[in-house]
Amino acid sequence: NAGVTQTPKFQVLKTGQSMTLQCAQDMNHEYMSWYRQDPGMGLRLIHYSVGAGITDQGEVPNGYNVSRSTTEDFPLRLLSAAPSQTSVYFCASRQVGDYGYTFGSGTRLTVV
Amino acid sequence: DQQVKQNSPSLSVQEGRISILNCDYTNSMFDYFLWYKKYPAEGPTFLISISSIKDKNEDGRFTVFLNKSAKHLSLHIVPSQPGDSAVYFCAASYSGTYKYIFGTGTRLKVLA
Repeated sequence: NAGVTQTPKFQVLKTGQSMTLQCAQDMNHEYMSWYRQDPGMGLRLIHYSVGAGITDQGEVPNGYNVSRSTTEDFPLRLLSAAPSQTSVYFCASRQVGDYGYTFGSGTRLTVV
Repeated sequence: DQQVKQNSPSLSVQEGRISILNCDYTNSMFDYFLWYKKYPAEGPTFLISISSIKDKNEDGRFTVFLNKSAKHLSLHIVPSQPGDSAVYFCAASYSGTYKYIFGTGTRLKVLA
């Protein structure tokens, strides 16, 4: 049972480039979320999904897109990377009725 | 506007003593609270939670206390162990949403 898998673990992008951070879970969880962690800012919610085909914005959605075509996958797209998007990104999932999210191990992104 | 605040960025405690981590919130609609623990280079892991209908929840060495009138919760770890050294995040949510709002974290160091 792999849990929540995030790829890649590390990425360096140039300003203006686009990329997709992958997230997959094998626990059949309905709820999935993307967070970013910045020093002194804690974990901030970017986007979340309550099921396949349903997504919504979190606290800091600008510059990011998501889609949820399957229960298992919840990719996060950076449309045009900016240095302000340098951060550690965490994907998380939980089942309906549970309260604790299971987090992936994170993707460390640097935008130069 | 930080709805969930952890005002102590760091805390050092001697092994065997009690660790008390604090968290304040501003949104009176929050009715569910969680604590997560995070080791370096790993995703956060769920530790313990409490519903607003309770004022205390205990799980082994970990106890969470909720004071709704003060909009304050605390995590007690007794006795503290060196393996408890990590960053601790509190998070809050309210019924009808699927979003968790996290605090900025407190780095706990347990000294052997």
